[in-house]
Amino acid sequence: DAKTTQPPSMDCAEGRAANLPCNHSTISGNEYVYWYRQIHSQGPQYIIHGLKNNETNEMASLIITEDRKSSTLILPHATLRDTAVYYCIVRARGNRDDKIIFGKGTRLHILP
Amino acid sequence: GAVVSQHPSWVICKSGTSVKIECRSLDFQATTMFWYRQFPKQSLMLMATSNEGSKATYEQGVEKDKFLINHASLTLSTLTVTSAHPEDSSFYICSAGVGRLDTQYFGPGTRLTVL
Repeated sequence: DAKTTQPPSMDCAEGRAANLPCNHSTISGNEYVYWYRQIHSQGPQYIIHGLKNNETNEMASLIITEDRKSSTLILPHATLRDTAVYYCIVRARGNRDDKIIFGKGTRLHILP
Repeated sequence: GAVVSQHPSWVICKSGTSVKIECRSLDFQATTMFWYRQFPKQSLMLMATSNEGSKATYEQGVEKDKFLINHASLTLSTLTVTSAHPEDSSFYICSAGVGRLDTQYFGPGTRLTVL
């Protein structure tokens, strides 16, 4: 079973910030939080990952709570091209045998 | 980020035939690759872990004799669907890891339709 819980769907107006929550209350100390998104009929695209500090890159920001039991992915200025299913995943670092188990993700609709 | 390619991007075959799908890491070497299957409106389901130079590790419920995996080099893994049937029609996706954290990058997927 997936180690994360996400809302099944969310709407966001174009140009506004999209905030996608994820619960991972059983996360272990050596597990990172990864975010991917999957646009229809494509392979998942890597977005960002973090351990305990907040992270930012050209695509998004990742806010991880101090107890690490939840996180939020922020798309600062959503566009129609950000419509996708977003997956939050926890995985141990550097362990090539550690599988990625996908949950159902959050289907994000960007509204014009 | 790292680039993973898959070939073909789509394939249509007759029932009973075998289909081979290639997964390549284009700008890095990957000792481990993962194969997933995705049915319409569902999430990705892990099928197997492909290990370079050794046998693949299959998830429970995945028939190893039907889904043959070969990881012959550090940049290539292949998935062969043997004696394909219509219920094998699906979207097949591979991933490969790079860097100290083995961050996974995914291929674009292969859509298999079995008639």
